[in-house]
Parts: sequence; C-alpha cells; structure tokens
Amino acid sequence: EPEVTQTPSHQVTQMGQEVILRCVPISNHLYFYWYRQILGQKVEFLVSFYNNEISEKSEIFDDQFSVERPDGSNFTLKIRSTKLEDSAMYFCASSEAHGGVIYFGEGSWLTVV
Amino acid sequence: QKEVEQNSGPLSVPEGAIASLNCTYSDRGSQSFFWYRQYSGKSPELIMFIYSNGDKEDGRFTAQLNKASQYVSLLIRDSQPSDSATYLCAVTNGNTGKLIFGQGTTLQVKP
Repeated sequence: EPEVTQTPSHQVTQMGQEVILRCVPISNHLYFYWYRQILGQKVEFLVSFYNNEISEKSEIFDDQFSVERPDGSNFTLKIRSTKLEDSAMYFCASSEAHGGVIYFGEGSWLTVV
Repeated sequence: QKEVEQNSGPLSVPEGAIASLNCTYSDRGSQSFFWYRQYSGKSPELIMFIYSNGDKEDGRFTAQLNKASQYVSLLIRDSQPSDSATYLCAVTNGNTGKLIFGQGTTLQVKP
C-alpha cells in the first residue's frame, strides 16, 4: 500500500540551528501538507502546497519556516533558527484531491535543546 | 476561529461493548469529515470519512453525520483492547482542503 515516508524519524538540534525535514508523498498525490503536534496537544495545520506553490499557511508558519519541492518526489520543511518551542512531531501528509482523504507519514520528532 | 470540539476523555468501555465518540464543529461550511486513530507517539491513521448526512458503516465502525446539528460521531462495535487509542475528529472546508483537528478522545477498552 502506498505511503507517505518521512526522514529523519527523530532529530535533536541545538537552538538556533537550521533543520530540514524531508518527505516523500504518495506518488500520484498532488496536494501536500505539513502539520505539527506538540506533545500532549492537538494536531495543527502548518502549510499546504499545490502546483509548486503554497496554497495556504497558518499563522504558525511564519518567516522561520519554508517549504520546497526540490524534485518530482521530495517535499521538504525547513525551519531556520530553531527555538525550544519548535520541539514537536512534524507530520507530512498528502492527498490526491482537494478536500479528499489526507494520508499522514509516520512523523519526524524534532527536539530542540 | 473555526473549531472542532471533542471530549478528551478518557472514555472507558469493557471489551465487546460499543464505544461512542462524539465531535462538534463550528464552521457550517465544513464539507468533509474524518476520524483518525492515533496511538501514543504515532501518526494519525485514517479510520473513516463521511461526506453526506446519515450513517456510513465499515466493519465494526460507523460514522454518523448531522450537518444541521454540526455533529459527527464514531461508533465502534465489539470494542477490542487494541482499539485503545486517541481518536481524532477532523473536518475540512472545501475552500481550503486543510484538516482542522479536534483535541482527540482517549478510548480505553478494558479486557
């Protein structure tokens, strides 16, 4: 069964460092997302991406964050100058159609120390 | 602020019983409704989705949607200990396609 894959599964980084989280969405999907979940809290939308551009972003997704689809398969989330409060599980997700079922990757657990 | 509300629980049911999980949403423009299961430390796993008013059944799971009341529920029949998890309700608005999640209801199925 096709799945969304994410790397790394866990990353520890020093405060102020840059982090890149990588994702390979399901191959025939056209809509890509990043969500995050701080420990004990709800899953929060960060950004959606379609046709090589951001279609929507939340207020969390400020200038510290960026997304890119560098080739035909990868979808990345870059977090610049990480802060302690960026520690969370980051989920990549994709869907075939707008408003359709969204499938999640296994997540990348980011710990900022 | 568009919200999705769930009782955080825990909801405890004995093995073999029916578990009933409820969710309300504030945005009347919401068009698609999803239930995800999340085990601790894991990613959300799709259980059911429903688009139209009424019931939708899939195995032991039934999703119910009432758009007039802005209410969606998930029934789990013959609950098993392996069903113990947090169940996330999520809705999308056709304009955005993004999921808005509730905080989740923790279900405990006791043998």
